[in-house]
Amino acid sequence: QKEVEQNSGPLSVPEGAIASLNCTYSDRGSQSFFWYRQYSGKSPELIMSIYSNGDKEDGRFTAQLNKASQYVSLLIRDSQPSDSATYLCAVIEGYSTLTFGKGTMLLVSP
Amino acid sequence: GAVVSQHPSRVICKSGTSVKIECRSLDFQATTMFWYRQFPKQSLMLMATSNEGSKATYEQGVEKDKFLINHASLTLSTLTVTSAHPEDSSFYICSARDFSGRTDIQYFGAGTRLSVL
Repeated sequence: QKEVEQNSGPLSVPEGAIASLNCTYSDRGSQSFFWYRQYSGKSPELIMSIYSNGDKEDGRFTAQLNKASQYVSLLIRDSQPSDSATYLCAVIEGYSTLTFGKGTMLLVSP
Repeated sequence: GAVVSQHPSRVICKSGTSVKIECRSLDFQATTMFWYRQFPKQSLMLMATSNEGSKATYEQGVEKDKFLINHASLTLSTLTVTSAHPEDSSFYICSARDFSGRTDIQYFGAGTRLSVL
């Protein structure tokens, strides 16, 4: 059974700090990796996708993928209180459906 | 990113009535759409996978006669909650898969909050 593991948190960081969110996955055949952000009471919003090993940067967000270690992470630089949300790691292999982790709650304090 | 429109955003209905929720991909064709349910403070739960022109595939434990899914076109899927009861009250979210070009991404609708009285 495919599994995506995340620490549920909450991860608390002060405003302006770097938040580091981690995710591991069990299926070695996984090819596509995503980070979604979900605010309380709202639906998930895609913030990053990554398909190959290494880093991918988009503004304050950096996704890191290491397929050998089956590990994907999300760094948020200069964290803002508005970044406080649950971050969902999701993985897909081939034509199968997305497998979501349970999410990590991030709290950024002013 | 691509836009997925979901309507209505909120429904309040009496027990025993049926509720239809629409999910549209606005700027891409989605051969596959997904329906999720989320209870407060819990994870997303995949209910079913909807493929255009064919029957939906339901996850274990999801009653296909209660949650009717129709995916009649490449841009529209509907979920009908039949004979809704209070235990069906939840946040229902659709997503559409954009599997074009070099990427494969799922975009989510804004969700429908269903309250059954």
